Amino acid sequence: QKEVEQNSGPLSVPEGAIASLNCTYSDRGSQSFFWYRQYSGKSPELIMSIYSNGDKEDGRFTAQLNKASQYVSLLIRDSQPSDSATYLCAVPHAGGTSYGKLTFGQGTILTVHP
Amino acid sequence: GAVVSQHPSWVICKSGTSVKIECRSLDFQATTMFWYRQFPKQSLMLMATSNEGSKATYEQGVEKDKFLINHASLTLSTLTVTSAHPEDSSFYICSARPHADGELFFGEGSRLTVL
Repeated sequence: QKEVEQNSGPLSVPEGAIASLNCTYSDRGSQSFFWYRQYSGKSPELIMSIYSNGDKEDGRFTAQLNKASQYVSLLIRDSQPSDSATYLCAVPHAGGTSYGKLTFGQGTILTVHP
Repeated sequence: GAVVSQHPSWVICKSGTSVKIECRSLDFQATTMFWYRQFPKQSLMLMATSNEGSKATYEQGVEKDKFLINHASLTLSTLTVTSAHPEDSSFYICSARPHADGELFFGEGSRLTVL
């Protein structure tokens, strides 16, 4: 079982809709979870981090964490074409606490069409 | 946010040659930097942790003699791909963080193509 799993997509949503991206992880000891956005040919950029069960909102983005189900999701409200990218879920390596050593999921390709 | 810069952005080399990639933290000091690799249509994989003033630590399966890492100052880490082969063609990305428990910032990445 992969440590971090995501649906590779592609996920296609119309402009203005809610995009829902999902991620499951295998290590129950994981305490920190990150969502990165990666545009084609570019390096990742952090868009959300979440550490506690429940929801965390930042602008149009909401991260949801359920540690009991080992599940973390990212919702993007009012999706824009500029949100079209690959979204990567990441956790610290092997349940560690170093935020520099991350294990990434394979990423979900999101396409927002006008 | 903090700035991490890589050079070169892309490089093409012949098989058997060595290539050096530089990673600099421009506005903060980094005792630790992290080197990732991303093959086409795959996710990022951690290769090694670069430690200022000491040896790098490599992830399982990464050859330390092939991927030489030097972290000679608090703002510069270098990755040298020695005797590069076509299978080493990849997107190499370094990262660092201003604070031990803070956000990880990525460099722009260096795309290596080995002919």
